[in-house]
Amino acid sequence: EVQLVESGGGLVQPGGSLRLSCATSGFTFSDHYMDWVRQAPGKGLEWLGRTRNKINSYTTEYAASVKGRFTISRDDSKNSLYLQMNSLKTEDTAVYYCVRVWSSTWYGSYFDYWGQGTLVTVSS
Amino acid sequence: DIQLTQSPSFLSASVGDRVTITCRASQGISSYLAWYQQKPGKAPKLLIYVAATLQSGVPSRFSGSGSGTEFTLTISSLQPEDFATYYCQQHNSYPLTFGGGTKVEIK
Repeated sequence: EVQLVESGGGLVQPGGSLRLSCATSGFTFSDHYMDWVRQAPGKGLEWLGRTRNKINSYTTEYAASVKGRFTISRDDSKNSLYLQMNSLKTEDTAVYYCVRVWSSTWYGSYFDYWGQGTLVTVSS
Repeated sequence: DIQLTQSPSFLSASVGDRVTITCRASQGISSYLAWYQQKPGKAPKLLIYVAATLQSGVPSRFSGSGSGTEFTLTISSLQPEDFATYYCQQHNSYPLTFGGGTKVEIK
């Protein structure tokens, strides 16, 4: 059974930093691209970014709203995905989801498994 | 960036109704569109990918169609468990983007 479990959310002050983790199991983590998606309270879904797999040199993509502030990384030896968030703003308050990308092609660049999400609150 | 506009944003329907949700892209995205269902307090769930392919385990009352810039999600006979919010997502180019959502509520 595929499982994605996020952790690391919580309350942080504006300008602060937080690191989210996503522990995975039930599939070959190293084969897959992995993304982060967030959802502000009562709002829609926002894609944040992607880390590709080893074959594709672990390269990353980011949404403009977080580029330069957020960093996505992975540790294939631990089957884990990370989101380092710096210079946090109140508008970063959201539930953050770790998601698995079905395949490395555009045909398969959708999210077939989601974690349960972790809440990040940015407030003074 | 590719903008996705869903309509309607809110829909009130009865059990057994046929429901259609539209997603329009600001530029052509071939067939690279997915649909998700989200219930309150839960993570989204993949329903359909590449516009019309049903994800494994998803009931056949759900169907998708379209290509280019206009897409639809149809629920042929609405069931109580289908009351939720539905999102489209383009998987054609970066940044990946979602529609604003359509909330389906009980009439």
